[in-house]
Amino acid sequence: DAKTTQPTSMDCAEGRAANLPCNHSTISGNEYVYWYRQIHSQGPQYIIHGLKNNETNEMASLIITEDRKSSTLILPHATLRDTAVYYCIVRVYSGGGADGLTFGKGTHLIIQP
Amino acid sequence: SAVISQKPSRDICQRGTSLTIQCQVDSQVTMMFWYRQQPGQSLTLIATANQGSEATYESGFVIDKFPISRPNLTFSTLTVSNMSPEDSSIYLCSGGLAGGTGELFFGEGSRLTVL
Repeated sequence: DAKTTQPTSMDCAEGRAANLPCNHSTISGNEYVYWYRQIHSQGPQYIIHGLKNNETNEMASLIITEDRKSSTLILPHATLRDTAVYYCIVRVYSGGGADGLTFGKGTHLIIQP
Repeated sequence: SAVISQKPSRDICQRGTSLTIQCQVDSQVTMMFWYRQQPGQSLTLIATANQGSEATYESGFVIDKFPISRPNLTFSTLTVSNMSPEDSSIYLCSGGLAGGTGELFFGEGSRLTVL
């Protein structure tokens, strides 16, 4: 799986949009970008994933650059409960069943009241 | 989606003993995995739990230290053997659904402290 680079930590004001960047310059054509988060003392939680098109669900939006070398996770209206470590993971997915994920250090997002 | 339950949620153990962690999934998953999260660190994949056959271990992890069983599609166990204080970690179980979106579901983890 391709390597990702994320800022160690970020702050965001409550109610504002939180934009979390991820660099994956060595991504290959069949690798997806996945985002997970881990709230303190909980297991990781899936947020969103995409291949090359922008994606949106009830939790977040994922913007992938045209060259696919970077992406941004957007939490549109951050709340205090969004304080967590956010992991950007690049991996191949064939559809036949999930493979183990390789977690980097992630970004510690702190939402400020 | 899948709900993953782990037992125990936490335990304090003595050096040299072994502890078995159980993982139960509420639906059939294709793959099950075990992770370790050391204090202040990210998650590290220990092994893939294969139904009815030996687990597939990642580099740095061996069967003698972390024996894993998976007798069916919804249940797996991880044993941490001959524990030392360095084994103090959170151990997490996860699973993925065939034909899904490739997302993995995680349990809440089992926090192990070795004295």
